Amino acid sequence: DGGITQSPKYLFRKEGQNVTLSCEQNLNHDAMYWYRQDPGQGLRLIYYSQIVNDFQKGDIAEGYSVSREKKESFPLTVTSAQKNPTAFYLCASSENSGRAEFFGPGTRLTVL
Amino acid sequence: QQQVKQSPQSLIVQKGGISIINCAYENTAFDYFPWYQQFPGKGPALLIAIRPDVSEKKEGRFTISFNKSAKQFSLHIMDSQPGDSATYFCAARSNSNYQLIWGAGTKLIIKP
Repeated sequence: DGGITQSPKYLFRKEGQNVTLSCEQNLNHDAMYWYRQDPGQGLRLIYYSQIVNDFQKGDIAEGYSVSREKKESFPLTVTSAQKNPTAFYLCASSENSGRAEFFGPGTRLTVL
Repeated sequence: QQQVKQSPQSLIVQKGGISIINCAYENTAFDYFPWYQQFPGKGPALLIAIRPDVSEKKEGRFTISFNKSAKQFSLHIMDSQPGDSATYFCAARSNSNYQLIWGAGTKLIIKP
């Protein structure tokens, strides 16, 4: 089955710790994205990558970092510099020539 | 100019009724307008999408109406069912960088 997987589903972190969220896709999509969603709010773009070894900041990149070493993988690291990291994190992918973004099931991060 | 404004923020409709969600945009470089459906704790899923050269697109009970001159588009859900209760997002994609600009979302509740 083709799709996007995110792990873990739930993640708890102590203040001051970095944590990495996994995102893998087997859709052979060139572009991948990370969004943050807060309760009752829309999606805000953190980072996106349109090709391997290249990525761009989105609207709220501060306190986050990414890498794109492989086409199918786009991990997101939430660093201790992120002031308010508790949120629902969504990974998506799309063909660069296409239009639709396909989303993973999300990771809910809670900072204790 | 990059915004997509979505209304209403929340909507309650009786079972069997018509649900209508509206979006407006300013950027004439947008060339693709998808709607996404999101259930609690899940990632958004593409519901239906339209390009600006078409005024209406229908898929089952879901219809997008598009008014290019007014820069507005709307989602109509006919014969609304309790299973349609979800949050709906409109979005618009720029033809220059393929990024989606998201509306803030509409929480739809269908009362039995």
